[in-house]
Amino acid sequence: NAGVTQTPKFQVLKTGQSMTLQCAQDMNHEYMSWYRQDPGMGLRLIHYSVGAGITDQGEVPNGYNVSRSTTEDFPLRLLSAAPSQTSVYFCASSLTSGGLAKNIQYFGAGTRLSVL
Amino acid sequence: GDSVTQMEGPVTLSEEAFLTINCTYTATGYPSLFWYVQYPGEGLQLLLKATKADDKGSNKGFEATYRKETTSFHLEKGSVQVSDSAVYFCALKNAGGTSYGKLTFGQGTILTVHP
Repeated sequence: NAGVTQTPKFQVLKTGQSMTLQCAQDMNHEYMSWYRQDPGMGLRLIHYSVGAGITDQGEVPNGYNVSRSTTEDFPLRLLSAAPSQTSVYFCASSLTSGGLAKNIQYFGAGTRLSVL
Repeated sequence: GDSVTQMEGPVTLSEEAFLTINCTYTATGYPSLFWYVQYPGEGLQLLLKATKADDKGSNKGFEATYRKETTSFHLEKGSVQVSDSAVYFCALKNAGGTSYGKLTFGQGTILTVHP
């Protein structure tokens, strides 16, 4: 069982370039989300989705776009990368039903992004 | 809004020492509380959780008790091992609304255990 898979693991971009971080899960989870992790700040929510065709903004959405065309995939797009977007990005997923089980989020291994 | 505050790190211990990592929170209502662990080069894994006041979560020798009166969820382990070296995150999820999986994290505490 692969769980939550993120690609690439590492990426270096120049300011102004665009790219897409990929996230896929094989657990049939309705809820998927993207976080960024910065030193001393924990994880902050960028965008989330509660099902195919439904997305919403989190705490720090500026500079990022998402879409959810299938249950399995939730890509994160940087349209014009900036040095402030240098961070480690994590994708996570969970159920939205099932009582206490929906409280457990499963995380991918992360994408380390540097913007020069 | 909701917030989580963890003790300042990093924390460095010798093997078999006692571990405490403090965590306090601010939230409306009755949140669920979690500890996640991140081993080097990996994503976060759920370590333990508690969903109501006075609940004790436990896993792999770690424990934390949900204290509503002090709004705390401190992580403890009686005897740490080198393999416990990792980053530990305290987090909360508020019940209700549409924030199904939306977690609020503390800043993380780096734990290093020496032989």
